[in-house]
Amino acid sequence: DTEVTQTPKHLVMGMTNKKSLKCEQHMGHRAMYWYKQKAKKPPELMFVYSYEKLSINESVPSRFSPECPNSSLLNLHLHALQPEDSALYLCASSQEGDRGTEAFFGQGTRLTVV
Amino acid sequence: RKEVEQDPGPFNVPEGATVAFNCTYSNSASQSFFWYRQDCRKEPKLLMSVYSSGNEDGRFTAQLNRASQYISLLIRDSKLSDSATYLCVVTIRFSSNTGKLIFGQGTTLQVKP
Repeated sequence: DTEVTQTPKHLVMGMTNKKSLKCEQHMGHRAMYWYKQKAKKPPELMFVYSYEKLSINESVPSRFSPECPNSSLLNLHLHALQPEDSALYLCASSQEGDRGTEAFFGQGTRLTVV
Repeated sequence: RKEVEQDPGPFNVPEGATVAFNCTYSNSASQSFFWYRQDCRKEPKLLMSVYSSGNEDGRFTAQLNRASQYISLLIRDSKLSDSATYLCVVTIRFSSNTGKLIFGQGTTLQVKP
């Protein structure tokens, strides 16, 4: 069973709505990630938080706004999305340090923008 | 050129077959290497880490060749339950505290009875 929990599992939202995706981990990992995955494509990195600070933003449109309230939580705020933003949004976490370590993924939020 | 390249397949093999997947990466600064497995409409799950010395876990063997920037995964005695997409993943480090996982496009395996 995954130790990264994402809510909600499914979300349908209109283009004028504001919604948030939530991610939680209790493994003591200090790096957390948001990935976007379209059908039959690999996950694409959106954001990386390291020690609760935004470290990497892969030129993601501002309609996606990440937030890291504490070391266990990661949110993704959504506003004015487009139908092409419909995808599986995956949260992951990993231990940080001198060497890269494996990342663990949540089950994802399947988002549909109508 | 993609940072991590895999043959997308699909690989259709009979039960009991041995199948090998290959992956190449372009960034020589890549630090860590993994194989993930992803089932349809599920999240990626770590299958195994990959080391230069090789890594074996039951029917699965992974190998890294840093000089050639090449990663492999060998599955012996394929089972129906091995049917999935196998993702080659490379970690690129940007600072002492920050890295990112780069995914290959995945290789689809279908094991037939």
